[in-house]
Parts: sequence; structure tokens; C-alpha cells
Amino acid sequence: KAGVTQTPRYLIKTRGQQVTLSCSPISGHRSVSWYQQTPGQGLQFLFEYFSETQRNKGNFPGRFSGRQFSNSRSEMNVSTLELGDSALYLCASSLGTGGYEKLFFGSGTQLSVL
Amino acid sequence: AQSVSQHNHHVILSEAASLELGCNYSYGGTVNLFWYVQYPGQHLQLLLKYFSGDPLVKGIKGFEAEFIKSKFSFNLRKPSVQWSDTAEYFCASNTGTASKLTFGTGTRLQVTL
Repeated sequence: KAGVTQTPRYLIKTRGQQVTLSCSPISGHRSVSWYQQTPGQGLQFLFEYFSETQRNKGNFPGRFSGRQFSNSRSEMNVSTLELGDSALYLCASSLGTGGYEKLFFGSGTQLSVL
Repeated sequence: AQSVSQHNHHVILSEAASLELGCNYSYGGTVNLFWYVQYPGQHLQLLLKYFSGDPLVKGIKGFEAEFIKSKFSFNLRKPSVQWSDTAEYFCASNTGTASKLTFGTGTRLQVTL
């Protein structure tokens, strides 16, 4: 059974640009969450999608957005990139959205903003 | 708002030593607790989780954790660590109604031969 797949693995952008990251969940999983991991702030929740609807959102500016498609694949977009957006972006999938759900994480997309 | 604290940032142990990593959470209501591990070059994976019932939970690879409600703690333990346990360990919680996790800052464990 394939795991959570994130593409691309690495990305280098410059300030002011925008970027789109992609996540393919485990087959059958309908929930996709995104997290930002940085050395200073650790892992922080960005948002969660279930059946194409955003269920939860973290404390990030509106430059961070996401969406989920009917096949449960998800994308997140960051517009007007800032240096501080450099981070590892992790996607996690689960069957549902309950608090008991086990999250399965991908390997992440390492974004560097120059 | 929830928060999770991990007080040990970097722990170095010799093989066969016992391990205890501290984790404290702040949320006063129903809470689910998790330990995730990130081995070098690998993705985050679940070690163990607590929802309800027996406060002593056992996970994979011989790890266990004890939920102590009065202390708001969920410490991770292993009686005898192996070199292959070298990894970063994250404690996390959610409020029980959503899978959204609040993570601690992580503890890097280095096991020497």
C-alpha cells in the first residue's frame, strides 16, 4: 500500500513568488492535513481538508491556502513568499477527522525562499 | 489554546540505558495524546497513542507511555534503548473532537554504542 506522497521534494523560490505543493494521500483516506516544520517553531498545523471542505485552520496568514480535490489529493499554495516561509511542509492523511485518527505523514516538501 | 511542552531537547544515552522523555500538555478538557517518532531520513510515524482507559499504553518497538491526568503529563519510556532508537521524538495532543495536532518542540535522542 503506497504511503503519502508529496511533490516536489525540494523547492527553491525567491521572495514575492508563489508556490504550490501537492499531496496524494493513502488510498481510501479522505482527510488531508498540512503542517509546517521549522527549527524555531517546530511543527505547526496549517489546515485540514475532508471531502473537499476545509475543516480546521491554523494561525497562519491568508497567504497560505489549500484545497482538496474529489480524489482526496490536496494542494497547498503560498502566495507572496517571505523568507520566513522557508520550512519543511508536511502532509498527513487519515481515514476520517476524529480525534482518535492516526495520521500518516509524507516525507515533506523542503521549501527554501531566497 | 492547547500547548505541549517537551523539556528535554537533546538526550544522549548509551545502548541498554533506560529512557524517559518528558511531555506536559496544557488543555484541561478531553484530550488525546500521541508520541510520534522521526528516524533520520524517514517520515514521522506514530509510536503510540492514548485516548481513554488504561493510562499505561504500549506502542511499537518496546516503547510505552503513562498518562497522569493530575500532572498533565504523558511521558515516554523504554527500559533499554538501542542504537536504532536514535531519532527525534514528538509529543502531540488534540482536543478529542478533531485530528488537528498540537506538537511539542521535539526531543532529539542520540544513542551511542
